[in-house]
Amino acid sequence: AIQMTQSPSSLSASVGDRVTITCRASQGITINLGWYQQKPGKAPNLLIYAASSLQSGVPSRFSGSGSGTDFTLTISSLQPEDFATYYCLQDSNYPPTFGQGTKVEIK
Amino acid sequence: EVQLVESGGGLLPPGGSLRLSCAVSGFSFRSYWMHWVRQAPGKGLVWVSRINYDGSDIIYADSVKGRFTISRDNAKNTLYLQMHSLRSEDTAVYYCVREGDGNIPLDYWGQGTLVTVSP
Repeated sequence: AIQMTQSPSSLSASVGDRVTITCRASQGITINLGWYQQKPGKAPNLLIYAASSLQSGVPSRFSGSGSGTDFTLTISSLQPEDFATYYCLQDSNYPPTFGQGTKVEIK
Repeated sequence: EVQLVESGGGLLPPGGSLRLSCAVSGFSFRSYWMHWVRQAPGKGLVWVSRINYDGSDIIYADSVKGRFTISRDNAKNTLYLQMHSLRSEDTAVYYCVREGDGNIPLDYWGQGTLVTVSP
């Protein structure tokens, strides 16, 4: 199975900060990568698909980039509602695999 | 509005069996592949199984292969997960998830149902 390694596992940031989360695949997955946001007690919410396409209804401060093995999720200006855990997901090969998550906390 | 509502979770001892259901509405269920994803308490997301439109193509994670069975009833707009020989490591919130159109991955998720396996 393809392993997805996210970094950092957690970070502290302030409202208005630019935040970057990375995800590295153990083998090339072209652009078959999505990013999800999960708040405590809630289901994950799709933010980005195909590495850089913004899901409908998601604020434009979220963006994604990358291809092959290295991917990035960027939040351009962190808002109070963005404090959550973020996961990447590869669906290039079965089984689909998630990164271990990045918890974004308030500084 | 797309809705996925899971039910059937509960507390049961190791070795037990349980069937989860996921009732969907707001989209043409028979047109979408569907998945189950689980999340152990305080842990990350783990994919469990996927079924195609009519149930003719199914795949499982190695950890549940031979113990879990995914199925669907397109007439009832319902997805199922039959679980047997449950282990403590199966304890998790189980999410029913729709696979999106084209290159969109898992796009709509249910609220989840908790399965707890404990003596």
